[in-house]
Order: sequence, then C-alpha cells, then structure tokens
Amino acid sequence: SQQGEEDPQALSIQEGENATMNCSYKTSINNLQWYRQNSGRGLVHLILIRSNEREKHSGRLRVTLDTSKKSSSLLITASRAADTASYFCATDRSGNTGKLIFGQGTTLQVKP
Amino acid sequence: KAGVTQTPRYLIKTRGQQVTLSCSPISGHRSVSWYQQTPGQGLQFLFEYFSETQRNKGNFPGRFSGRQFSNSRSEMNVSTLELGDSALYLCASSFRRESGTDTQYFGPGTRLTVL
Repeated sequence: SQQGEEDPQALSIQEGENATMNCSYKTSINNLQWYRQNSGRGLVHLILIRSNEREKHSGRLRVTLDTSKKSSSLLITASRAADTASYFCATDRSGNTGKLIFGQGTTLQVKP
Repeated sequence: KAGVTQTPRYLIKTRGQQVTLSCSPISGHRSVSWYQQTPGQGLQFLFEYFSETQRNKGNFPGRFSGRQFSNSRSEMNVSTLELGDSALYLCASSFRRESGTDTQYFGPGTRLTVL
C-alpha cells in the first residue's frame, strides 16, 4: 500500500516559474527522500531529509519536512524545460530495512 | 563509480513462463532492493537483500522470489507469469548503514511485458 500521497497529481508551469509539490504520509518515518523519473526510466535521487531536519537545500531544490503534520514539500525554483518529469516522495519508516514507500507522484510539465 | 545496472532492459514473455532479472549494485553497496512499478499500483516494494539474506519482503505472492550473491549482485525471479506482472522492475542499491538513514540509488529498470 502507498504511504505517501502527493499533491498535485499534475502540474504545468512556464519556464522560469517555481514549482511546488507536496507529499503527505501516514506513519512515523526515519527519513524522506525525493526522486525524479523521466518517461518511465529509472529514478534519480534528488534529496534526502532526515526526520530531525526541517529544511534542506540542493541547488534549485528546497525540501521542507513537518513531522507534526506528516508532510513534506519540494520546491523547484526557476524551473527549466529539462525539469519536466514525474517526482516522487518516498519514506523510510523507522525500523524498516531497505524498504521505501512511495507516493503516487506528481507529473510536472515545464513549458519553454 | 558505475551506477546500478539492470539486465535485460526489455523483456517479452508469455503467460505461464518464468523470468529472471538481474541487478548489479554500485560497487561497495551491500543492500539491493527491488520494486515493481505499474500505472495502477505505482511503485511497490518487493524485497530487500543484504549480505545474501532477504531482510524485508513486500506484499507479493510467492511467485516472486529473489536472491543475492556474495558479490552483492541480485536476481529476482517471477514464475508462472500473469498478464498483471507486466511492469517496470527497478532495483536499487544502498550501502545500508545500520542507522537506517541511507540513500537508495536506482537502476534504469527492466521493462517486462507479458502477453
């Protein structure tokens, strides 16, 4: 079963705009990771945020985590056409080994 | 470092057959996890292997099995294929630190089509 739910399911923006995707989950976690997938290919790891962290940055990416609300958001600033992809959040529950639980993903289209 | 590799990349089988997929993790990584991705169910965890032992298993029937070799390479096998097994099968490797905070790096996947 999917632990994460992502919102919105689809997002279409113009190049240069910011894109925000949200992820909610149901149980306590050890960490939360964001991945990108292009056209049914493999997943590319973007960023990992631990349960005791609230915000993390990597280049044009900003991730926040609110464990009290069991939610996370991924912000992509100054988007580019190459950012067009599906984005997934994945949670690693405390005590689990090697098991990530994925949300359904957000499909982002960035128009040039 | 070379990334995670999966072979074959594409596979077409017929119902009732069996299939074996292979995954080579990043050098030094000891954990390999397998996932199934379908349009309807999304990404679902199949199982994880660490040091040749299955340590965690998802909610899949016994037709899905796997193993890991001493060099950390892993294979998964699906017997008696069903149409619903058509999917992208992804493997991911990680170092698997005991803290449980570990990044999983994914391979390109094997696209299995069952006719």
